[in-house]
Amino acid sequence: GENVEQHPSTLSVQEGDSAVIKCTYSDSASNYFPWYKQELGKRPQLIIDIRSNVGEKKDQRIAVTLNKTAKHFSLHITETQPEDSAVYFCAAPARTGGFKTIFGAGTRLFVKA
Amino acid sequence: EPEVTQTPSHQVTQMGQEVILRCVPISNHLYFYWYRQILGQKVEFLVSFYNNEISEKSEIFDDQFSVERPDGSNFTLKIRSTKLEDSAMYFCASRDSGNYEQYFGPGTRLTVT
Repeated sequence: GENVEQHPSTLSVQEGDSAVIKCTYSDSASNYFPWYKQELGKRPQLIIDIRSNVGEKKDQRIAVTLNKTAKHFSLHITETQPEDSAVYFCAAPARTGGFKTIFGAGTRLFVKA
Repeated sequence: EPEVTQTPSHQVTQMGQEVILRCVPISNHLYFYWYRQILGQKVEFLVSFYNNEISEKSEIFDDQFSVERPDGSNFTLKIRSTKLEDSAMYFCASRDSGNYEQYFGPGTRLTVT
């Protein structure tokens, strides 16, 4: 079945450093890869997404890279700030279930001031 | 910007009681979803709904669960006889037919005592 693996589960960085979170997916037909940020008690919030026809996408301090051959995509956050502290989920839509979203297990990011 | 809304924000119920969680998807969206997130865990797919019927349901979505779109705006999740392990955050999501992006509601925190 469809599967999305995410690591690390926890990541602690110093303010100003970069953070990288990596995910792999199993369905080679997947062609849309969103990243969500979730603060405690809140909904998952889409922060960036990438489609399979591009290899990289940037939005200010966040970027996502995609390697379709390896079925691997990553989130990069540069110049981290304390407000970046949250849980980050990668995801991919499944071909069934109306493109239901399959989430990774999440990465808890701590940015130390 | 249109948003998915959910009510109530928090529901406390006793084991064995029935609960109905309500969602109002974005008005022109055609695909509807329920997801569940147990505290500290990842977001899990429960059920997808399109054209007035279930597209797919997960193993979690057993006979105690049902969904309904009783009118043109609401989308409900009913749990017939709640168990302690049903305690979780329940997110509704919707999307239109032209995009993969799903829009999540703010969630309903269900506490079963």
